[in-house]
Amino acid sequence: GAGVSQSPSNKVTEKGKDVELRCDPISGHTALYWYRQSLGQGLEFLIYFQGNSAPDKSGLPSDRFSAERTGGSVSTLTIQRTQQEDSAVYLCASSFLAGGPIYEQYFGPGTRLTVT
Amino acid sequence: QQQVKQSPQSLIVQKGGISIINCAYENTAFDYFPWYQQFPGKGPALLIAIRPDVSEKKEGRFTISFNKSAKQFSLHIMDSQPGDSATYFCAARWGPSGNMLTFGGGTRLMVKP
Repeated sequence: GAGVSQSPSNKVTEKGKDVELRCDPISGHTALYWYRQSLGQGLEFLIYFQGNSAPDKSGLPSDRFSAERTGGSVSTLTIQRTQQEDSAVYLCASSFLAGGPIYEQYFGPGTRLTVT
Repeated sequence: QQQVKQSPQSLIVQKGGISIINCAYENTAFDYFPWYQQFPGKGPALLIAIRPDVSEKKEGRFTISFNKSAKQFSLHIMDSQPGDSATYFCAARWGPSGNMLTFGGGTRLMVKP
């Protein structure tokens, strides 16, 4: 019974480099969410994919951040020209089709990104 | 408008005591209020949740109290155990598609043996 998986679990990168973070949602879940959790802080919404609809990108903090979801399954969050303030844990969650009844979001273990 | 304010930031409770974490919100469009539990190195996991038309929900040692008029809700952990030591997040659901969550800042709970 696979849950949400994320890779890598840890990533250390130099300032200015690009990074890609991967999320494999639970099979059958059509909604996928990315959040950022800074040290000792709550979860900050970044982007949301629902089925084949256009993603809700309203939480992305800058145009250096982008995300794709291929084939309605795996998602990749890309951060270009990383800055030290990008250091955080990036969490992915998935759920059944959003809207209507309430569907629980299941979280992955996160990717800890450190920008040096 | 989309914020949920959570307090306290940290809490130390003796084993067997009651842990209480409070959250407040402004947006009356929120329609679902879950609590998540997060252990170090893990993602958050749903603990218990409530709809705004219910004033209280209890699951085992965990109870949510909801005050719609005050726009406040709280998590009570009865008979707190060292295994309850974790970070707790309240959240509220919003969004045009109805499944977006905005989270409180978190409470780090430590239960001393």
